[in-house]
Amino acid sequence: NAGVTQTPKFQVLKTGQSMTLQCAQDMNHEYMSWYRQDPGMGLRLIHYSVGAGITDQGEVPNGYNVSRSTTEDFPLRLLSAAPSQTSVYFCASSPGPLAGGLRRYEQYFGPGTRLTVT
Amino acid sequence: KNEVEQSPQNLTAQEGEFITINCSYSVGISALHWLQQHPGGGIVSLFMLSSGKKKHGRLIATINIQEKHSSLHITASHPRDSAVYICAVRSGGGSNYKLTFGKGTLLTVNP
Repeated sequence: NAGVTQTPKFQVLKTGQSMTLQCAQDMNHEYMSWYRQDPGMGLRLIHYSVGAGITDQGEVPNGYNVSRSTTEDFPLRLLSAAPSQTSVYFCASSPGPLAGGLRRYEQYFGPGTRLTVT
Repeated sequence: KNEVEQSPQNLTAQEGEFITINCSYSVGISALHWLQQHPGGGIVSLFMLSSGKKKHGRLIATINIQEKHSSLHITASHPRDSAVYICAVRSGGGSNYKLTFGKGTLLTVNP
């Protein structure tokens, strides 16, 4: 298994541009999530999905959209990039209820995307 | 909302020392995670626990549910253990998969 993959690894955008951060997992996990990591802030949840076709907002959703058309893919769209969105973005997945006991909550992270908005 | 506090924020040790990183949280949880992040690197899950103690190699994680406290211990520390260690908690159970994260502890182990 490749686990959780993210592309691109690095990206520089100008203010107002849009782009999509890709995330995919090949472990048949039901739960997927997007986090941003900023210095001194810890990881914060942007959006999450508990299965294909189901998404919901996390702690810091403004300026981001997501969709989950398949179990494998969970792209994050920046609608109009702003300097405040400069961050490192991590996608993560968990097995979900099909796994037994606490295993459903095991967390697998992608390698991250470092985004700079100028 | 669960508040997660880690201490210390920064920790410098000499190779071979015993390391302890602490995590406290404010609301009852279903599971607690310890994560490791090397500088500029990705995030790896070290432990997930809901009670008692878990051990993997030189790493030991404990949790006291009554006191809402967990510790991560590293025995015989090594420079390759230098990383940020992050505590994260999952509140509630069932279909609640959302995590609340501490701000991390930066560990530097000098040779």
